[in-house]
Amino acid sequence: GESVGLHLPTLSVQEGDNSIINCAYSNSASDYFIWYKQESGKGPQFIIDIRSNMDKRQGQRVTVLLNKTVKHLSLQIAATQPGDSAVYFCAENSNGASGAGSYQLTFGKGTKLSVIP
Amino acid sequence: DAGVIQSPRHEVTEMGQEVTLRCKPISGHNSLFWYRQTMMRGLELLIYFNNNVPIDDSGMPEDRFSAKMPNASFSTLKIQPSEPRDSAVYFCASSFKGNTQYFGPGTRLTVL
Repeated sequence: GESVGLHLPTLSVQEGDNSIINCAYSNSASDYFIWYKQESGKGPQFIIDIRSNMDKRQGQRVTVLLNKTVKHLSLQIAATQPGDSAVYFCAENSNGASGAGSYQLTFGKGTKLSVIP
Repeated sequence: DAGVIQSPRHEVTEMGQEVTLRCKPISGHNSLFWYRQTMMRGLELLIYFNNNVPIDDSGMPEDRFSAKMPNASFSTLKIQPSEPRDSAVYFCASSFKGNTQYFGPGTRLTVL
């Protein structure tokens, strides 16, 4: 029979342009969010995180925005470079809802970013 | 500065054989996580330990899978007997007190 795999959303961006990757989360009790980057053949790599008491956090060339009202998280990459090509995952932690000491992260399905030179 | 170390990086085995995957977390981290990644299911949490104690193993597929953490610097994930559907990339990650999880390079397992 035909195998069905995950169909990752794909974002194609011209080198030098800005990229915006979006993520919707489901648990309104989530209080900690992380963006990971996974290059082919490697493990997920931490990019940036944000806690629920903030709505924006900036890093080097990256910005994460959190909208708790609509349960939406976004990752903005400025001046996208070929080395940014990867799959990007958002992850959430609902430590408060799962009980004290629960450190599990729930990962999204991922978005594939392709940078066109 | 060593990150999470996993071994082997690649494992090819035949159905029915026992497979043992190894992980060394980042020194000082007190939480350790085992994940499996496939094209079909994405990234799935199998089990995690806090201070060497298994906290949640609800993601372990079945009794063929077992994980141990005998000390703070070593963990194993064992599959016995292995089946072709266990073929995947297995990641280990560690964190300190629930903060950011840092992933290892993964073990690519192929069961023939």
